[in-house]
This record gives sequence, structure tokens and C-alpha cells, in this order.
Amino acid sequence: DAKTTQPTSMDCAEGRAANLPCNHSTISGNEYVYWYRQIHSQGPQYIIHGLKNNETNEMASLIITEDRKSSTLILPHATLRDTAVYYCIALDISNFGNEKLTFGTGTRLTIIP
Amino acid sequence: DGGITQSPKYLFRKEGQNVTLSCEQNLNHDAMYWYRQDPGQGLRLIYYSQIVNDFQKGDIAEGYSVSREKKESFPLTVTSAQKNPTAFYLCASSIRTGGGYGYTFGSGTRLTVV
Repeated sequence: DAKTTQPTSMDCAEGRAANLPCNHSTISGNEYVYWYRQIHSQGPQYIIHGLKNNETNEMASLIITEDRKSSTLILPHATLRDTAVYYCIALDISNFGNEKLTFGTGTRLTIIP
Repeated sequence: DGGITQSPKYLFRKEGQNVTLSCEQNLNHDAMYWYRQDPGQGLRLIYYSQIVNDFQKGDIAEGYSVSREKKESFPLTVTSAQKNPTAFYLCASSIRTGGGYGYTFGSGTRLTVV
């Protein structure tokens, strides 16, 4: 699976949009981009995933560049409960049954009141 | 409600003792995983299992053992051979077929060896 690169930490004001970048320049055609977040001392929580097109759900939006070498997770109206470590993961799901999530160190997002 | 249950939440053991961490899921997921997390670090894969009675080593399997006798259960034993066992341990499960909506994680067990 492709390596991803994320900033170590970011701050965002409460109520503003939080934009978390991820670089995955070696991503292959079979690899989806997954985002998870981990609130302190809890298990990671799935947020969103996508392949080529932009995706939106009740939690966030995922914007993937046309060349698929980078993506941005957008939390439209950040709240204090969004303070967490956010992981961007490239996952090859064509290897049915053998795909494994590999977590880097992620981005520590702090929402400022 | 469906989910993954890890128990206990906190566990203390003396050095040299084996300890078993429990992980149970009622999501009817085929695949289950064990991860280890150290302070300030990402998650590292210890073992995973795609079907009952089968499992594979992850990136840091040394000093750990697992079993998968039932679809719902994937216990992890931290043996005395694990040199640095104090950590936060997370269990996860997923639908075996490719893709879908990713993994579901338990709430973790924090193991402290003294």
C-alpha cells in the first residue's frame, strides 16, 4: 500500500472548517484513500473513504485531486469534539480478504474555542 | 447493538507473566485484527485473521500469540517473551470481502506490566 504523508499537527478555530491535507504521491489505481480519527484513549473511528470522486457524508467531505496524489479531509464546522488524531490511509482493496490498514502517526488536530 | 467488546479496559501484570486480552464481536465480520499503540505513535499490526482457524503474523508478532476458534472471538496472549509489553492494545474487525466501510475498532485495553 502507498505511503501517506500528513502534517504532524494543526489547529483550527471552533466553528470554522478544518482542512486536513494528505499526500499519497505513489498511490496505485486500486488504492482507496481512507480517513480515520482517534480521540484520546479510544479506538479509531471510520470517517470516510474514496477512490477518485469527491465524497461527502454526515461527518466530513473528502476532496481527491485529479491525479490522485493528494487529498483533503474537510470538517465543515469544527467543534471541540473533533479534537483528535486524524489518519489518512491508502488501502488496496483489490486483494480481497488480505487488505490490512496500516496507520502512520497522523495529524493531531486541536480545535481552539 | 452490534460492536466489538474488549476486556478488560485496564490490565496490570507482573513481569514474566503471560496475559490474555479478550476481543469479541457480534458484527458477523469474518476478519479480525490486533494492533498495538505506544504513546504518541500510530497503530502497529500484531496479528490478523481472515477466517476461523487461520491467522497471519503482522508487523510485530514476536512475543504474541493468538487463536481463532470461533468467528466472534480473537483473543491475544502477550507472552513473557514480549520485551516491552506495556502499551494500548486495539482489536478491530472487518467484512472479509474487499472494501466496504472499513474497520470497526474496540475501545482498547491498556496493559501495564510492572
